[in-house]
Formats: sequence, structure tokens, C-alpha cells
Amino acid sequence: AQSVAQPEDQVNVAEGNPLTVKCTYSVSGNPYLFWYVQYPNRGLQFLLKYITGDNLVKGSYGFEAEFNKSQTSFHLKKPSALVSDSALYFCAVRDKAKAGTALIFGKGTTLSVSS
Amino acid sequence: KAGVTQTPRYLIKTRGQQVTLSCSPISGHRSVSWYQQTPGQGLQFLFEYFSETQRNKGNFPGRFSGRQFSNSRSEMNVSTLELGDSALYLCASSTSGDLTDTQYFGPGTRLTVL
Repeated sequence: AQSVAQPEDQVNVAEGNPLTVKCTYSVSGNPYLFWYVQYPNRGLQFLLKYITGDNLVKGSYGFEAEFNKSQTSFHLKKPSALVSDSALYFCAVRDKAKAGTALIFGKGTTLSVSS
Repeated sequence: KAGVTQTPRYLIKTRGQQVTLSCSPISGHRSVSWYQQTPGQGLQFLFEYFSETQRNKGNFPGRFSGRQFSNSRSEMNVSTLELGDSALYLCASSTSGDLTDTQYFGPGTRLTVL
């Protein structure tokens, strides 16, 4: 069965420090991976995706993610965190068993950036 | 372009009632998917519509249904509401609905069942 895991419920980081939000996946074949962010009482905002090609993917708001096939990981990173980055982050993998756009989401990681 | 819009934003219903939620996708997008978000179960896929046809369905009871119109707008219906149906219902649209497409989400409809 396809799945995605976010091993940390919460990540705390000081403003200006680098941040990493972890994601691992289990998919047969090549994975299609996504990161979304959710602010309170809002829908999900797309950050970036990995389909194929360069393992380092750059996305919105200065975020990037590194695809690592051997470790089946797709960690989200940012060199310098902002207080405004505090939000709920979701990693997702396309459910290839459904041949459409259905996504399987991780449980989410709450990022808290302190000033 | 305008983003995905969902109406209403908030709903309060009582057990046993039914509810209809509406979603207007980004202009030009033909695929619309629905997700349920709850604190306990997280984000779960409900169904996807493409060109007025249900293409995929998640693991939800038959009380949950949907449809898509010729202008790609979509509605989902929940009949015989249960307390456990209280959730944020998110709609997402994408252009052609293939595996590599990005889904763009609306702000959601917060449903409370009393």
C-alpha cells in the first residue's frame, strides 16, 4: 500500500535558523511527491512538487525539498526561517493506484518559528 | 486567475439532515477533487470528477456523493448527517487531472453537525 509519513508532529526553530520538515514515503515505482502548507482556518497552499529530474526542488516562499530515492525521503527545507512560516505542513504522494489526481497525505507537521 | 472558491464557508446542521457543498474550480481546470479533513483522521480523499464523470472514489460510505457540471463546477452531498461528519471539506482543482498535475485547494467549508 502506498503511504507517506511525517515522523514529527511538531518542529520548533528560531527565526533566522534553517528548518527541516521530514517526510518519508512508500510507493511502488517512481513517486510523485508534493508539499502543502495550511494556515489557520485556510485551505492548503501548494509549495512544491517532485515529478522527475533534479533531486533538489525549489518552490514558493524560499522553500525547497530534497528527493532521496535510496532513503525514500522528501524533506522540506528553508535556509532561514521566518515567524510567518509558522503553520501546518503536509507532505503528500500521488495515489498511483487511482490513475487520477488523488493524493495520500501525511498527518502533518506543525512548524513553530519563534522570534 | 481567481482561485478555487467554495460555498458556503461555514455550515451548521443537525444529525439526520443532508447538506450540499459547492466548489468552483480555477478557470480552465477540468478536474475537481474533494477531501475531508478532521483532527483524528487527517486529510482523506473523497472523490474526483473529471469531465462530469466520477473518476475515483475514496473509502467513504454511500452517504457521500458528488457531481460535476459541464462548466466544471462541482457539488458534494452528504445525506443523513452523523456527528462524525463534522469536518473541513476541501475542494481542489487541476488542469487535466493526470498524475503529474498540481492540485490547487480552496479555503474549505467547515461543517458542524450537532
